[in-house]
Amino acid sequence: GAVVSQHPSRVICKSGTSVKIECRSLDFQATTMFWYRQFPKQSLMLMATSNEGSKATYEQGVEKDKFLINHASLTLSTLTVTSAHPEDSSFYICSYKSHNRGQDTEAFFGQGTRLTVV
Amino acid sequence: LAKTTQPISMDSYEGQEVNITCSHNNIATNDYITWYQQFPSQGPRFIIQGYKTKVTNEVASLFIPADRKSSTLSLPRVSLSDTAVYYCLVGDEAAGNKLTFGGGTRVLVKP
Repeated sequence: GAVVSQHPSRVICKSGTSVKIECRSLDFQATTMFWYRQFPKQSLMLMATSNEGSKATYEQGVEKDKFLINHASLTLSTLTVTSAHPEDSSFYICSYKSHNRGQDTEAFFGQGTRLTVV
Repeated sequence: LAKTTQPISMDSYEGQEVNITCSHNNIATNDYITWYQQFPSQGPRFIIQGYKTKVTNEVASLFIPADRKSSTLSLPRVSLSDTAVYYCLVGDEAAGNKLTFGGGTRVLVKP
């Protein structure tokens, strides 16, 4: 199956700084990738859809100026958490889902990034 | 997107069969049913997908009744390493490939 590589796996940053998380597709070209956030003991929540060469589409309630998404190439999408605060501490996961007309296809997820803001 | 309902948690013992039932009363004609597994601090991993009747692969079976309003994931002879959260998702390509996760079922396998 497709391989999605996410980096870093863990990051600790000071409040007020920005953190960039990278998501790479290693063996396919991804026109669309998805970013999720997951708080402890909770389910994954979709934050935004990253579209190669165009602006990301954000879910309701997600601040686009705080969570900057860049999808400049078919193999790389980045999520930057700007001016991070302790409440942004969470597990961030990227995902890719292939297209196959006539059926639903499986999604491939990155390893996740544990962000801790102190 | 069809909403799914699963038990919050289940306990089992090594070697037993674990069955997790997911309700999706509003499933649409074009929707598929997909199950994912997630270990702590990892991204989810695809387990199995089906549309109707029964699907089996090397790790699990998926039973879907004729009305498709529910589905049951069956994990045969679980081991400690099967302790994870299992998510049932329902959707199709028309949903724009977005996956909406419900609460999931936390399965704890005990020795």
